[in-house]
Amino acid sequence: DQQVKQNSPSLSVQEGRISILNCDYTNSMFDYFLWYKKYPAEGPTFLISISSIKDKNEDGRFTVFLNKSAKHLSLHIVPSQPGDSAVYFCAASGGNDMRFGAGTRLTVKP
Amino acid sequence: NAGVTQTPKFQVLKTGQSMTLQCAQDMNHEYMSWYRQDPGMGLRLIHYSVGAGITDQGEVPNGYNVSRSTTEDFPLRLLSAAPSQTSVYFCASSYRPGNQPQHFGDGTRLSIL
Repeated sequence: DQQVKQNSPSLSVQEGRISILNCDYTNSMFDYFLWYKKYPAEGPTFLISISSIKDKNEDGRFTVFLNKSAKHLSLHIVPSQPGDSAVYFCAASGGNDMRFGAGTRLTVKP
Repeated sequence: NAGVTQTPKFQVLKTGQSMTLQCAQDMNHEYMSWYRQDPGMGLRLIHYSVGAGITDQGEVPNGYNVSRSTTEDFPLRLLSAAPSQTSVYFCASSYRPGNQPQHFGDGTRLSIL
């Protein structure tokens, strides 16, 4: 069973506009949520995280929002840049393991 | 800074062969884990370890063995390779499990013929 779901396999946005990537989870025991970015032939790299006691965390152009009642989180990138083009994975943690979504491929067009 | 190092980067095996994927980290992290990445499936946890001498199963442990004799190393063994194990394998580590980002290696691309 996939406990973390990213329902959009791909997203294309224009440079300078906002990118919104979405993620849903099913396990209410998850208490820490992360976004990773992955380029081809490289491992995922950590981007931003949020604890379940918060509903928003911001780091420069990246903001993660958490809606616990809906079991939903989103990543906003403003403004989007061509270098942001990558696969983005949502992850959730509770206890000793971390579960990942299937990823969303973001393409930012110049 | 080496971080998490995985070897080899690429490997082709025949069905039934055995192999060990190596993973080493130089950050003194207690927690280490192995994932496989398949199209449309994201990263799925195979096995993890919360410290030397302690390992546990993740989502998809069948066909794989692990051991953790030192803090630095966490090898993944395929006992009898099957085509369904064709995948990209990632090793990751962090100071502790739970509310901490993990550092990932660059992966091992494994093909089973």
